[in-house]
Amino acid sequence: DSGVTQTPKHLITATGQRVTLRCSPRSGDLSVYWYQQSLDQGLQFLIQYYNGEERAKGNILERFSAQQFPDLHSELNLSSLELGDSALYFCASSVGGTSGDNEQFFGPGTRLTVL
Amino acid sequence: DQQVKQNSPSLSVQEGRISILNCDYTNSMFDYFLWYKKYPAEGPTFLISISSIKDKNEDGRFTVFLNKSAKHLSLHIVPSQPGDSAVYFCAASAPRSGTYKYIFGTGTRLKVLA
Repeated sequence: DSGVTQTPKHLITATGQRVTLRCSPRSGDLSVYWYQQSLDQGLQFLIQYYNGEERAKGNILERFSAQQFPDLHSELNLSSLELGDSALYFCASSVGGTSGDNEQFFGPGTRLTVL
Repeated sequence: DQQVKQNSPSLSVQEGRISILNCDYTNSMFDYFLWYKKYPAEGPTFLISISSIKDKNEDGRFTVFLNKSAKHLSLHIVPSQPGDSAVYFCAASAPRSGTYKYIFGTGTRLKVLA
């Protein structure tokens, strides 16, 4: 158990809909990262937050947005969903966010299926 | 453009032998490289990292070698154990605007045969 929790575990929805994925980082971790893993693909970095502020952006679509709240939990919002958005979405956390070898602790992921 | 490549999707090794997982990269700005292990239905877990100023880092049965001139790194597991069977991801980080951006490879599925 990494200490990072993600809800829900599974989500099935229809094209055009909007969903929210939730992540609670490990106690004491200030950074939260979101990743997308599509079938047979590596982990695609989406976005990082550090202590409530956006720190780095990866390949995140404009239809997607995220935020980190004062209690440090984070939400990833996916809107106007398309079939290609079906994937595993991982959240990770780390103590800091400014070192390249920060060990990231990953949650178990949310499996999103768009029908 | 895949900046971090793991060209072998799978690898089978006999228990007790050495497992060698390879990773190639294209961006010379990467300054840290990390390996993560992932079991089914779980998130990845950190294994070992190496700074670009080093050529080797060892932690128990796991050793990572970095060849900067070839832009190549490898993870050696000796001796391999059945519990090592998992998907291994290579990742690289590059500094960007006061923070770091992480690029992951597509993974190599290791199967250790008893």
